[in-house]
Order: sequence, then structure tokens, then C-alpha cells
Amino acid sequence: QSVLTQPPSVSGTPGQRVTVSCSGSRSNIETNTVNWYQQHPGRAPKLLVFRNNERSSGVPDRFSASKSGTSASLAISGLQSDDEAHYFCSTWDDTLIAWVFGGGTNLTVL
Amino acid sequence: EVQLVQSGAEVKKAGESLEISCKGSGFTFTRNWIGWVRQMPGKGLELMGVIYPGDSETRYSPSFQGQVTISADKSTNTAYLQWNSLKASDTAMYYCAIVQPAGGWFDPWGQGTQVTVSS
Repeated sequence: QSVLTQPPSVSGTPGQRVTVSCSGSRSNIETNTVNWYQQHPGRAPKLLVFRNNERSSGVPDRFSASKSGTSASLAISGLQSDDEAHYFCSTWDDTLIAWVFGGGTNLTVL
Repeated sequence: EVQLVQSGAEVKKAGESLEISCKGSGFTFTRNWIGWVRQMPGKGLELMGVIYPGDSETRYSPSFQGQVTISADKSTNTAYLQWNSLKASDTAMYYCAIVQPAGGWFDPWGQGTQVTVSS
């Protein structure tokens, strides 16, 4: 059971906009910045967004992220087939005194 | 180019020992935290622990304390993850990554090392 809760899967058609949610608590998301990672099948994770909403180098502006209270979300607009991947949120937890990850969301492009 | 290159896949038997490595280049190895992350088959990411090669300060996530040993060799810019006695449940992909100090995000990541343990 992950400390951060993500939906197991989301899907969309090419060109659509989808969002991936990440729910936490006061000890993690509410008081610390959230980062997002993309992992294509068989590949290492790659940093997508850091410090809540800053895109990593080379990440297109179709990807955006936000945080409010104990939740965060990643939005992908203009969905493309290459966006099909797993997405993980992550942050620091003040109670566990460790970095924690969400369980991951599998994005399918129909 | 900042890069982490990990050692190759391992196939071991339960009870055996193992050490996998993560070699850094393109950055000051001794001034960056390096983390080890486990990904069990079909599952999510779990941080095992981090090490600061500059002084070898190491912090383990509670679930992994006592289960593995993280170390680093400053002379070769290499971090290590070691098991004394493997279990079948250690079968997983293991990644190393640089922990960025400004906010604790992991970037970049190594390519991963697959560890398979048979019982």
C-alpha cells in the first residue's frame, strides 16, 4: 500500500486531455513539493516535473502539473501515442522521514 | 553529460550474496546524494536508501534497514547496493538515481539492474 494514492489506470484518445491524480496527506504533499516521473515499458523512470509544476528539460508544454492541499495532479494535453507509459508522483514525507512514491498510473492511449 | 551506468543483470540463488554497482560520470560524485530504488515485477517504485559519497552518510528507508547495505567508493565514483543473503522476494529491477538537493527529485536515473533470485 503506497503512501501516495494514484488511480491504477487512465486512458484517452489521441489529442485528448487526461489528468493523473495523486492523493497524500499533511505530512507529505501538503508540506512538501511534488515531483512526477514517466516510465515507458522496459525503461528507467524519467523526471517529468519537479517542484510541483516545473517541467524538466526537454519535456513539452503539453505536460503540466499542480498541487493543492494534500493532492497533486498531472495533466497531459494533446495526447500522443508516445505518452503511453506509467506515471508516478513522489514527495518527501515528514513522518516517515523518507521520499515516497505513488503506486503509479498506467496511461493507455486508445 | 551527467550519467549513471549500472552493472549488468544478475541471476542468483536464495542465500547467496550479491553486490550491484552504479558508476557516475559528468558530475561531482562526492557532492551529490545517490539513491537506490526497487521496482518489483509489475509494481511501483520504492526508495531503499540514499548515500552521500562525500562522507558516506547513508540513510535507509525503514522497510530496507538491515536488509541491504549501501556504500560508495569515492575513488571510482561508484555506489553499491549489497545483499548478504538473497531471498526470492529480492527479485526486482533496481535503479540508482541522483537526488537533486534543491527539492529531492531523482534525476537522472541509471538504466537499471535486473536481479533474479531463484529459490
